[in-house]
Amino acid sequence: AQSVSQHNHHVILSEAASLELGCNYSYGGTVNLFWYVQYPGQHLQLLLKYFSGDPLVKGIKGFEAEFIKSKFSFNLRKPSVQWSDTAEYFCAVSPHNTDKLIFGTGTRLQVFP
Amino acid sequence: GAVVSQHPSRVICKSGTSVKIECRSLDFQATTMFWYRQFPKQSLMLMATSNEGSKATYEQGVEKDKFLINHASLTLSTLTVTSAHPEDSSFYICSAPDRNNQPQHFGDGTRLSIL
Repeated sequence: AQSVSQHNHHVILSEAASLELGCNYSYGGTVNLFWYVQYPGQHLQLLLKYFSGDPLVKGIKGFEAEFIKSKFSFNLRKPSVQWSDTAEYFCAVSPHNTDKLIFGTGTRLQVFP
Repeated sequence: GAVVSQHPSRVICKSGTSVKIECRSLDFQATTMFWYRQFPKQSLMLMATSNEGSKATYEQGVEKDKFLINHASLTLSTLTVTSAHPEDSSFYICSAPDRNNQPQHFGDGTRLSIL
């Protein structure tokens, strides 16, 4: 069965610290990969996506993620977080040629000034 | 940009009531929409795929007769929780892919509380 694992459930950082959130997926075929963010009281928004090509993708607000096929991973990174990055972050996988999304359990990020 | 509108945002009702939640794509057509359920501090679980003009496709373990889905037009899908009970209390979220933009666009969600 397809699944997505996010190992960090709750991350607490100070502003300017670097961030890396882990995401691993289990699926035998080609997938599209996503990171979504949910700010408090808001709907899910797309941070970045990977369909093909350069495995290092850059998204909005200074976020980036690297697809490592051999590790089935798609970790999210940001060199220097801000207080406004406080949110819930979800990794998601979509089997190729479908729109169906399988979400990870989410990581709650708290950034303190 | 593309927007998905979900209504109502909050419902509180008595056990045994049926509740209808609407999901609309505001400036694009969506032949497919998705319905998710999110429990507190947990991930979004895909419940079903809503297909315009045909039957919805339900994920394993989701009761078709409990969660009725209707996708009558290219901009509207509805989820009806029939004879809701307290265990149906949850946060329900819909999404729709924008064919021009590919990724899913999510509604704001509906918090359902069954007393």
